[in-house]
Amino acid sequence: DAGVIQSPRHEVTEMGQEVTLRCKPISGHDYLFWYRQTMMRGLELLIYFNNNVPIDDSGMPEDRFSAKMPNASFSTLKIQPSEPRDSAVYFCASSFRWRADYGYTFGSGTRLTVV
Amino acid sequence: GENVEQHPSTLSVQEGDSAVIKCTYSDSASNYFPWYKQELGKRPQLIIDIRSNVGEKKDQRIAVTLNKTAKHFSLHITETQPEDSAVYFCAASRGMEYGNKLVFGAGTILRVKS
Repeated sequence: DAGVIQSPRHEVTEMGQEVTLRCKPISGHDYLFWYRQTMMRGLELLIYFNNNVPIDDSGMPEDRFSAKMPNASFSTLKIQPSEPRDSAVYFCASSFRWRADYGYTFGSGTRLTVV
Repeated sequence: GENVEQHPSTLSVQEGDSAVIKCTYSDSASNYFPWYKQELGKRPQLIIDIRSNVGEKKDQRIAVTLNKTAKHFSLHITETQPEDSAVYFCAASRGMEYGNKLVFGAGTILRVKS
């Protein structure tokens, strides 16, 4: 398996623009998580899905952030409009509830810079 | 909700020495405690985990201990090597019955000096 795949790896955009981050989880995994990592706040859980259904979005910072999972193999995190304080590394992770260690696996991340 | 505190924030050790990182958690219902290693510019990767029905687990040079009563768990790395230098994160979860979302500590920067 290729693991959790995220795209793009790097994104530089101007303030006010829409940004879409993409994630393909490991095949067969039933949970998908979006995290944001910054020096100040560490690893923050933004939202997670179970079987494509959003379960908890309490970590989504503002209405500017939205996430979807239209099917088991694809999820997006959208920021509209983007702001400089959204600059961070965004990780997607997936897991499988029936593995002893849950198989929690992170993607390589998307480094977002908003100028 | 769950809150995980991690100490120290930075740790420098001499090659060959041991390193210990400690975490405390607040939610007594948490029952799964993984540790992740993140090298510069890379993704966090699971290095060891422990469940609440176990007090200690070891894998070669790394070990994790758990004290449920005190709600703290620790990572022990023995015979440290330069390649152990990285950021280490602890995390806690209530398990799949509650979605298995991981709450992470703030991280510890470990530097192993050769």
